[in-house]
Amino acid sequence: KNQVEQSPQSLIILEGKNCTLQCNYTVSPFSNLRWYKQDTGRGPVSLTIMTFSENTKSNGRYTATLDADTKQSSLHITASQLSDSASYICVVKDYGQNFVFGPGTRLSVLP
Amino acid sequence: DVKVTQSSRYLVKRTGEKVFLECVQDMDHENMFWYRQDPGLGLRLIYFSYDVKMKEKGDIPEGYSVSREKKERFSLILESASTNQTSMYLCASSLLLQGAKDEQFFGPGTRLTVL
Repeated sequence: KNQVEQSPQSLIILEGKNCTLQCNYTVSPFSNLRWYKQDTGRGPVSLTIMTFSENTKSNGRYTATLDADTKQSSLHITASQLSDSASYICVVKDYGQNFVFGPGTRLSVLP
Repeated sequence: DVKVTQSSRYLVKRTGEKVFLECVQDMDHENMFWYRQDPGLGLRLIYFSYDVKMKEKGDIPEGYSVSREKKERFSLILESASTNQTSMYLCASSLLLQGAKDEQFFGPGTRLTVL
């Protein structure tokens, strides 16, 4: 069964600190993996996309990595800001029409 | 910028009522999706549409129907609302279903409460 798991479920860090969120998937055949940021009460917004041949992608202070062999991805946030407080959702797409969503990691950045 | 709008941010309905949720996108996207989002669960696909008047069931279509009469508009219908349909409903659109242009753009969501 195609699944996406994320850890931790929630995370609290202090402003200015770094953090790493994890995503494991079993989706096959793999097409791409996206990380979305979802602010409270808003729809998700795409941060990065990676295909099979890419193992790292950056978007400002966000850096995503992909290990297609172990089917793992991570999202690293550098020098966190209060505005980074949100849910981060890992989404894996197969070669058909299926988008498989993880449950998300809830990040809280405290001053 | 792609814009996906949803007709209501918050909605309160009574059990048994017929409920309409509307979604409009302004980027001429082929594909539109309806998801529901519940705490601790990933987004679950209710229905999607890949063309006008075309639709396919997602993972949890029971109790829902959809309508796409125009390319830019995709409606979700709860024929007879029940309390277990209390949830956040998210609409999305994408240009394609393959390749880098399969990115989904989401609306702000409608939080539906069924009493």
